[in-house]
Amino acid sequence: DIQMTQSPSTLSASVGDRVTITCRASQTISRWLAWHQQKPGKGPKLLIYETSNLESGVPSRFSGSGSGTEFTLTISSLEPDDFAIYYCQQYNSYSLTFGQGTRLEIK
Amino acid sequence: EVQLVESGGGLVQPGGSLRLSCAASGFTSSDYYMDWVRQAPGKGLEWISRSRNKGNSFSTEYAASVRGRFTISRDVSKNSLYLQMNSLKTEDTAVYYCARTPAGQNAFDFWGQGTLVTVSS
Repeated sequence: DIQMTQSPSTLSASVGDRVTITCRASQTISRWLAWHQQKPGKGPKLLIYETSNLESGVPSRFSGSGSGTEFTLTISSLEPDDFAIYYCQQYNSYSLTFGQGTRLEIK
Repeated sequence: EVQLVESGGGLVQPGGSLRLSCAASGFTSSDYYMDWVRQAPGKGLEWISRSRNKGNSFSTEYAASVRGRFTISRDVSKNSLYLQMNSLKTEDTAVYYCARTPAGQNAFDFWGQGTLVTVSS
């Protein structure tokens, strides 16, 4: 299975900050990467698919980039609603696998 | 409005069985791949099974951790997805989510709220 490693595991930031989360794959996954946001007690929500495509209804402050084995999720200016856990997920091959998550906390 | 509502979770002893359901509404689930993903308490997400869409004959995939014990299936008439879980282990304790995947996009684009399965004696 392809291993997905996110960094950092926890990120403390303030409203208005620009933040970046990195996701590395153990082998190339082309651009078959998605980012999901999860809030406590809720199912995840798709933010970005195919590395950089913004899901409908997701604010434009979210963006994604990368290819091959290294990918990033950037939030350009944090809003209070953005404090959550973020997961990357590869869908290049089975088993579909997720990163361990990045908890974005209020500083 | 798109909705996925999971049900069927509960407490079961090791070695026991449970059947989860996922009722879809607001869309025709047979046009989509449908998946089960689980999350152990305080842990990350683990994909466990996929049922491809009608155009792909509802073919299936499983994670190694559940292959041979879990079976994914659908009832098209009820617009529903199921997960039959047999030979349950304590490490199967988790919230189980169903998720929708557009066949061309291949990323989960909508998730349910989950149902909790606890395997304990």
